[in-house]
Amino acid sequence: GDSVTQMEGPVTLSEEAFLTINCTYTATGYPSLFWYVQYPGEGLQLLLKATKADDKGSNKGFEATYRKETTSFHLEKGSVQVSDSAVYFCALDSSGGSNYKLTFGKGTLLTVNP
Amino acid sequence: DTGVSQDPRHKITKRGQNVTFRCDPISEHNRLYWYRQTLGQGPEFLTYFQNEAQLEKSRLLSDRFSAERPKGSFSTLEIQRTEQGDSAMYLCASSFLTGGPGELFFGEGSRLTVL
Repeated sequence: GDSVTQMEGPVTLSEEAFLTINCTYTATGYPSLFWYVQYPGEGLQLLLKATKADDKGSNKGFEATYRKETTSFHLEKGSVQVSDSAVYFCALDSSGGSNYKLTFGKGTLLTVNP
Repeated sequence: DTGVSQDPRHKITKRGQNVTFRCDPISEHNRLYWYRQTLGQGPEFLTYFQNEAQLEKSRLLSDRFSAERPKGSFSTLEIQRTEQGDSAMYLCASSFLTGGPGELFFGEGSRLTVL
């Protein structure tokens, strides 16, 4: 079945450091790929997405590129802020494009210190 | 606030008891989803509704679990004869039928602790 493997956390960085959180996937077909973020005390929210190979999703300074050849969707940010401290989940659409079932990775806790 | 709301936020129960969680989706969202998240894991799909119809159920949803969405608005998730392995965060999400990929709006979750 479909699966998502993401970098184990926790990740602790200083403000303005570069962030990479690795994500690889196994899926049949060509899934859509997502990064969700969960800030403390809040629900999961969609951070960015890419729906086909070589697409780059971006939002709030975060980027991720859909790499079909390496089945990867790594999350990057050039300069993190304290407010980026959260849990980040990589996910894919397991419903064949019908957008009703997501498969998530285990999540990576990011802490950014001032 | 017009986000997805879940109630109760935290439930502590003894093994063998029944519990029910409620989810109020964003109004006019046709689809409603239930996910379960255990400690150290990502959310796992349980079931989803399109309006009042339950269209898919995961194998994770044993016969002790039942979900309803009687009028296509709020939904309930009932767990009968709870077991310690049911301890988890139960997440509800909603979306438009024609929403873009991944555009699910999640509530903050209902945490279940089974003693």
